[in-house]
Amino acid sequence: GESVGLHLPTLSVQEGDNSIINCAYSNSASDYFIWYKQESGKGPQFIIDIRSNMDKRQGQRVTVLLNKTVKHLSLQIAATQPGDSAVYFCAENKAAGNKLTFGGGTRVLVKP
Amino acid sequence: DVKVTQSSRYLVKRTGEKVFLECVQDMDHENMFWYRQDPGLGLRLIYFSYDVKMKEKGDIPEGYSVSREKKERFSLILESASTNQTSMYLCASSLWGPEAFFGQGTRLTVV
Repeated sequence: GESVGLHLPTLSVQEGDNSIINCAYSNSASDYFIWYKQESGKGPQFIIDIRSNMDKRQGQRVTVLLNKTVKHLSLQIAATQPGDSAVYFCAENKAAGNKLTFGGGTRVLVKP
Repeated sequence: DVKVTQSSRYLVKRTGEKVFLECVQDMDHENMFWYRQDPGLGLRLIYFSYDVKMKEKGDIPEGYSVSREKKERFSLILESASTNQTSMYLCASSLWGPEAFFGQGTRLTVV
């Protein structure tokens, strides 16, 4: 069946280092893969997406990589800051019906 | 800024009660969603709607129903609340595309 899952539940990172959050998916029919960030007490917030026909997309301090061969998605955060401490979710989207399916989440803790 | 507003941050209800969770968005979005969030399980889709009076079951619709009488409002209904429906409920809205906007969540406790 469809699933979007994560390799690590918690990631501790030193402030200033780069963070890499990984995600595996099983449904190859998705049109988009997306990363969301959820801070404590708030709803998830969109970070970046990547179309299924792309391998890499860069945003401000973030890069998403898509490896369709092994069905793997990653989010790289450059120069991690205390404000990056949050739970990060990967999600997939199929344009038909616009349904979003989420993975289980990875908590990122930034150490000063 | 897009705003998705959920009517309550915290709710405590008794087993067997009928519970209404309300969500309003102000950006004329076509799509609206209800998720529940539980530790270790991430966000699971309960129901979604892509138009007024239209609804589609998500992955865990059992025990829930929804109503969308107006474009800006999407209500989640627990017909007879049970303790296993204690959870964080998140509403979201979107246009066509991958970016959804979420409300702040309603933490529901059923006792």
